[in-house]
Amino acid sequence: DVKVTQSSRYLVKRTGEKVFLECVQDMDHENMFWYRQDPGLGLRLIYFSYDVKMKEKGDIPEGYSVSREKKERFSLILESASTNQTSMYLCASSLGWQPQHFGDGTRLSIL
Amino acid sequence: GENVEQHPSTLSVQEGDSAVIKCTYSDSASNYFPWYKQELGKRPQLIIDIRSNVGEKKDQRIAVTLNKTAKHFSLHITETQPEDSAVYFCAAVHGSGNTGKLIFGQGTTLQVKP
Repeated sequence: DVKVTQSSRYLVKRTGEKVFLECVQDMDHENMFWYRQDPGLGLRLIYFSYDVKMKEKGDIPEGYSVSREKKERFSLILESASTNQTSMYLCASSLGWQPQHFGDGTRLSIL
Repeated sequence: GENVEQHPSTLSVQEGDSAVIKCTYSDSASNYFPWYKQELGKRPQLIIDIRSNVGEKKDQRIAVTLNKTAKHFSLHITETQPEDSAVYFCAAVHGSGNTGKLIFGQGTTLQVKP
């Protein structure tokens, strides 16, 4: 069974801090994704990566960056956290056209 | 760009009734359409998917239909049970190549009343 693990379920940070959200998958998937989930807006893609060191912007990349140094790990970085980045963050991975598998999510609060 | 619209945003049914959720997409090149169920406080999980070479797919009480000409697809749940209560997301694959990038609908909150 595919396992996608996000480093934290809940995280509280302060405005202006640099925040790292980590995601690890154990199935050798090429593709990895970061979404944010807000009520009424569904899942919006922030960034995705289809190979090590490769990344592409999603629909809402502003204020975020990503890092993929190893195939199994995909990190989301909030360069200078702001209150409008308070949200649920979901990581997912997939193999080619196969379905995406999600992690449990990180509920991030920026104070 | 690619857009997926999902309706209704909320749906309330009596236990045993059927529920239907509809989605439309804009990219005629989309050829893969998964549906995810997200229970409260849990991760989204795939419940059924359909590829563009198929018009309908069933799995027990769940079915998905696809109309490529009209660019819409629907999720049908029959004989609903309280444990079907959740948020349901439709999605459509976007772009070419092998990246598996999905565009999600806004979600439907389904409530099944006992």
